[in-house]
Amino acid sequence: GAVVSQHPSRVICKSGTSVKIECRSLDFQATTMFWYRQFPKQSLMLMATSNEGSKATYEQGVEKDKFLINHASLTLSTLTVTSAHPEDSSFYICSAYRVAKGKTEAFFGQGTRLTVV
Amino acid sequence: QKEVEQDPGPLSVPEGAIVSLNCTYSNSAFQYFMWYRQYSRKGPELLMYTYSSGNKEDGRFTAQVDKSSKYISLFIRDSQPSDSATYLCAMSGGGYQKVTFGTGTKLQVIP
Repeated sequence: GAVVSQHPSRVICKSGTSVKIECRSLDFQATTMFWYRQFPKQSLMLMATSNEGSKATYEQGVEKDKFLINHASLTLSTLTVTSAHPEDSSFYICSAYRVAKGKTEAFFGQGTRLTVV
Repeated sequence: QKEVEQDPGPLSVPEGAIVSLNCTYSNSAFQYFMWYRQYSRKGPELLMYTYSSGNKEDGRFTAQVDKSSKYISLFIRDSQPSDSATYLCAMSGGGYQKVTFGTGTKLQVIP
């Protein structure tokens, strides 16, 4: 089956530094990937839609200058949390859609637990 | 009103019980329906995928879609402690349309 790989699975960084999270679709091309944030005991919150070759589309309330998204190829999207602060500590998950014959399947990465100290 | 409604639980059942998880939705354009299982501190894992109305069975899992009632269900037979997780329903209109998720139901299967 399709696999989406996300790296790193866990990262601890100092306040003020930047952290990059990678999301790869391993056996299919994904022109669109999605980035979610999940707080403890809450559901997924869509942050932004990453489109290959164009600018990402951010959901309302998400700072595009803080959460930089780059979708450089059909299999790779990156999320960079810039000048991280403790309130950015969360679980970040990427998702890629495999679309074939109109059927849409959303596959998720393993998630990245970010802790900002 | 949210597009997708899902009881957050928690739902506790004894091992071996039949579990019924449900979601309702309001958008009649939804055509594709999915169920995900998410273990603590892991990304969601696609469990079941159905198109339009009907049933789909995979091992101990059965997904049902009733588009006329805008209601979907996931049944787990012979539940196991390893089934303890949060189950999210999700749906979309197909293609690259946004997938809308329920809030998830936390299930605990007690040995």
